Amino acid sequence: EVQVVESGGGLVQRGGSLRLSCTASGFSFSSYWMSWVRQAPGKGLEKGLEWVASIKADGTEKYYVDSVKGRFTISRDNAKNSLYLQMNSLRDDDTAVYYCAIGGSWFFNWGQGTLVTVSS
Amino acid sequence: EIVLTQSPGTLSLSPGEKATLSCRASQSVSSSSLAWYQQKPGQAPRLLIYGASRRPTGIPDRFTGSGSGTDFTLTISRLEPEDSAVYYCQQYGTSPRSFGQGTKLEIK
Repeated sequence: EVQVVESGGGLVQRGGSLRLSCTASGFSFSSYWMSWVRQAPGKGLEKGLEWVASIKADGTEKYYVDSVKGRFTISRDNAKNSLYLQMNSLRDDDTAVYYCAIGGSWFFNWGQGTLVTVSS
Repeated sequence: EIVLTQSPGTLSLSPGEKATLSCRASQSVSSSSLAWYQQKPGQAPRLLIYGASRRPTGIPDRFTGSGSGTDFTLTISRLEPEDSAVYYCQQYGTSPRSFGQGTKLEIK
């Protein structure tokens, strides 16, 4: 069964750092682009989904939404079937459920998400 | 950045009816690079359609995607109670990838 499981979310102070992890199983992880997509909590139709970052299968290409450039870093370890998101200089508007997703164009399988709450 | 606008915001229909959800792009989406997702409360989104009209394995043929350029449609025929969810469109023709704000489908 294809599965991705996120971890590492939690409560962090404004300006702080957090590292999210995503562990993959059931597919050839090293063959696929991977992405992070976030969703502000409880916003429903007001905020929706926001693509955050994507990384090529071999890790040689990385892309970010403008709002996180210079603060977030996406990386992967194909030997460990793992995807990461290092988040620094966190802001209030980074509060969201962060989903790990398979793919870099459309996202064909998603994890259940991990909640990141940025508090002052 | 391509802005996607979905309509209507909320749709309330009865079982057995047909739902028509619209997604309009602020500029042409290249190569019909558009996907649709279904999200139920407390769950992750699920891919329904990619390439504007292609269904992944396991998605019922009641879900049909169509359109090109700036106008795309998701049609759900023979509505079932479990179709109650928020539906999002997403373009991947250009970076940054972008999502519509969603359409909430309620089944009466």
